[in-house]
Amino acid sequence: GNSVTQMEGPVTLSEEAFLTINCTYTATGYPSLFWYVQYPGEGLQLLLKATKADDKGSNKGFEATYRKETTSFHLEKGSVQVSDSAVYFCALYNSGGSNYKLTFGKGTLLTVNP
Amino acid sequence: DGGITQSPKYLFRKEGQNVTLSCEQNLNHDAMYWYRQDPGQGLRLIYYSQIVNDFQKGDIAEGYSVSREKKESFPLTVTSAQKNPTAFYLCASRGLLSNEQFFGPGTRLTVL
Repeated sequence: GNSVTQMEGPVTLSEEAFLTINCTYTATGYPSLFWYVQYPGEGLQLLLKATKADDKGSNKGFEATYRKETTSFHLEKGSVQVSDSAVYFCALYNSGGSNYKLTFGKGTLLTVNP
Repeated sequence: DGGITQSPKYLFRKEGQNVTLSCEQNLNHDAMYWYRQDPGQGLRLIYYSQIVNDFQKGDIAEGYSVSREKKESFPLTVTSAQKNPTAFYLCASRGLLSNEQFFGPGTRLTVL
């Protein structure tokens, strides 16, 4: 079956620090990969995505590259801001068969201090 | 503005009562989903529907029921059979030719 493993938090950084949140996956075939962000008390927003190997998704200074050889999709940002404080979820979508659902990691809480 | 609305944002119920959570979308999406989120856990799929009048159980369907009578609406009923219903519930939708899900703002259900 499909599964997603992401680094456990919480992660606490100072403003302007470099961020990496690791994500690895297990899936058959060629899944699409996503990072979602959840701000306190809100639903999830799509942050970025990649649909095939070596694709790089990017948005708002965040980047992640789909690495099939290491089954990874690590999230990075060069300089975090206080407003980036949120929970980040890695997810995969595998449309094999009739199963059109997302499989999520457990989420990583990021806190950025001024 | 197109999007997904969930109401209410906060809901309180007494143990043993059924409660229905609303989810409406005006994105003209065919597929809709219900997830449950608990502290420190990822999202777990309760039910999903890919077309009107059809739905399938997700990973944790026991104690829940849904209906899909209209394309834009996918209400979730939390029944008294659900052993631990207090959680944050998220609704999502997806267009037929897309693999991207859009999420609503969520409903926080507390059973007293």
